[in-house]
Amino acid sequence: QSALTQPPSASGSPGQSVTISCTGTSSDVGNYNYVSWYQHHPGKAPKLMIYEVTKRPSGVPDRFSGSKSGNTASLTVSGLQAEDEADYYCSSFAGSGSFVFGTGTKVTVL
Amino acid sequence: EVQLVESGGGLIQPGDSLRLSCAVSGFPVNNYFMTWVRQAPGKGLGWVSLIYTSGNTYYADSVKGRFTISRDYSKNTLYLQMNSLRAEDTAIYYCARGRTGNYYDYWGQGTLVTVSS
Repeated sequence: QSALTQPPSASGSPGQSVTISCTGTSSDVGNYNYVSWYQHHPGKAPKLMIYEVTKRPSGVPDRFSGSKSGNTASLTVSGLQAEDEADYYCSSFAGSGSFVFGTGTKVTVL
Repeated sequence: EVQLVESGGGLIQPGDSLRLSCAVSGFPVNNYFMTWVRQAPGKGLGWVSLIYTSGNTYYADSVKGRFTISRDYSKNTLYLQMNSLRAEDTAIYYCARGRTGNYYDYWGQGTLVTVSS
């Protein structure tokens, strides 16, 4: 149950794009299309941004998109806005009723 | 409106026990799988435990044998019984609602558990 690997930080100017990677193994990310992404402002409830690799819940801007290749999933935020500044975590189902989260990425809007 | 409200956190000594509650409104707690996730100070989110609609339960290796997840339909509440607490269990504990597709669509705001002598 090792955490999925994410870069500690990512940044971009308003209007630019940023992509966050999430690397797991063939037992989690690589084995299931059950990767989800969460936005977390400290002290608040995490918010679902992407589920099942590419799907976006209603209310989440289409600036947020997800993808996966092999054991690595990615979240792309296009057209960065100030309110996108937050911590982002990926999560994957890992079989046998278990889940694993990523190490987290702090996104800074310059 | 869906709401999840955690409670029961506090300062507790190593080796002691604590029970966290997650009061659910807007849906029956038995109709969805439910989970507990924690965030230690300065660290990322970590999955702790889940309970399926069937009642089957699963735990992270770090808490297996010490923590027990349960739910009470009459109170529409999810619980996490935590025994033999250690300093490394210090964290904000969040409850969340799980969906088919293995993701969590609603989360609570968390309750802080501090294990220290």
